[in-house]
Amino acid sequence: IQLTQSPASLSASVGDRVTITCRASQGIDTFFAWYQQKPGKAPKLLIYDVSTLQGGVPSRFSGSGSGANFTLTISSLQPEDFASYFCQQLDYHPWTFGQGTKVEIK
Amino acid sequence: QVQLVESGGGVVQPGRSLRLSCTASGFPFSSYGIHWVRQAPGKGLEWVAVIWYDGSNEYIADSVKGRFTISRDNPKNTVYLQMSSLRAEDTAMYYCAREGPSSAHDIWGQGTMVTVSP
Repeated sequence: IQLTQSPASLSASVGDRVTITCRASQGIDTFFAWYQQKPGKAPKLLIYDVSTLQGGVPSRFSGSGSGANFTLTISSLQPEDFASYFCQQLDYHPWTFGQGTKVEIK
Repeated sequence: QVQLVESGGGVVQPGRSLRLSCTASGFPFSSYGIHWVRQAPGKGLEWVAVIWYDGSNEYIADSVKGRFTISRDNPKNTVYLQMSSLRAEDTAMYYCAREGPSSAHDIWGQGTMVTVSP
């Protein structure tokens, strides 16, 4: 399954609402996750099962979607949220990632 | 604390072999599947391999199938990624990650860098 993530990059300001989308080449059940990665660091799990927040992740992050279309939303961007974000499907082998979205400061 | 630590990376010539290790602590290792994920410099994440909690099953990405194998030694809390016939395109940071809720990767190591160069 191929995951097409968009946009590849975006510029936003602190306080903005940010939406990142991920489209799958075929329908997926609920095994879908989002990760955040900061430069020089390992990825961090944000959301699994499409919309379940991993423990310790701020509530400004949310996930939604079904079938082949999924969304990560940051309701009010904070300085520590400037990073790259990756989606991943875990429904079918191989467990593919999207190409990533880099969120930069405007 | 719960952690994974990778080791074994380095600079290797094309065609040679390398074995990476992922050692766990702070959780019941033998109850969890472990994945390897790699990231070429400046690129995105690429899933590489997974091994079941008991070593009974494994999957390998097509891009490395036939060249990479995954194994584990539960008494040593360690998973291995044996890489052979290495190519320049295998140059990447290699991360191991624990299989958490609904197979999502909830704990990651800090990564070990593999550079394939003449």
